[in-house]
Amino acid sequence: EAQVTQNPRYLITVTGKKLTVTCSQNMNHEYMSWYRQDPGLGLRQIYYSMNVEVTDKGDVPEGYKVSRKEKRNFPLILESPSPNQTSLYFCASSSPGQGASEAFFGQGTRLTVV
Amino acid sequence: GQNIDQPTEMTATEGAIVQINCTYQTSGFNGLFWYQQHAGEAPTFLSYNVLDGLEEKGRFSSFLSRSKGYSYLLLKELQMKDSASYLCAVMRYGNNRLAFGKGNQVVVIP
Repeated sequence: EAQVTQNPRYLITVTGKKLTVTCSQNMNHEYMSWYRQDPGLGLRQIYYSMNVEVTDKGDVPEGYKVSRKEKRNFPLILESPSPNQTSLYFCASSSPGQGASEAFFGQGTRLTVV
Repeated sequence: GQNIDQPTEMTATEGAIVQINCTYQTSGFNGLFWYQQHAGEAPTFLSYNVLDGLEEKGRFSSFLSRSKGYSYLLLKELQMKDSASYLCAVMRYGNNRLAFGKGNQVVVIP
């Protein structure tokens, strides 16, 4: 089954404790992104990657890091989480080079930083 | 930059038709997507328009006018399960980044 898998689904952590949210896709997509979704603000892009070893900042990259060492994986790293990073996070993948390629989203990670 | 505007909420009756509008301003337009998102769940793809006109997919249709920077999603024969947020997203040419509107919450009542 074609899917994007995020882990964990829920996470409560403390300020300053480094964490990683994993994202994996099995569709051989070149393009992967991370978004955060907050009430009243919609989905905002954090980082994106057009292919292996190619990553770039989205609209709200501060406080986040990513890496793309393999095509299927695109982890999101919070080196020193703060309460304002409490949010619902989505990973997505697509293959834009193949015409109208919609983004497939993972199930989301609800992060609470206390 | 990109600016995408959607109304926030509407209520409609089961069996009715509802139209959700989206206006946008962007440089390097490379297509517009509509997604459905139930509360707490992942967005799921509904439709895509890159040329002007109407795309029909079952009970859902989407329209695009590039010159007006305008799209709408039409939901026909509304069902209770259509209660969700509907997101419009514009893709930018070159880096293929998607910029999302804030979503329009549709509440379907019996």
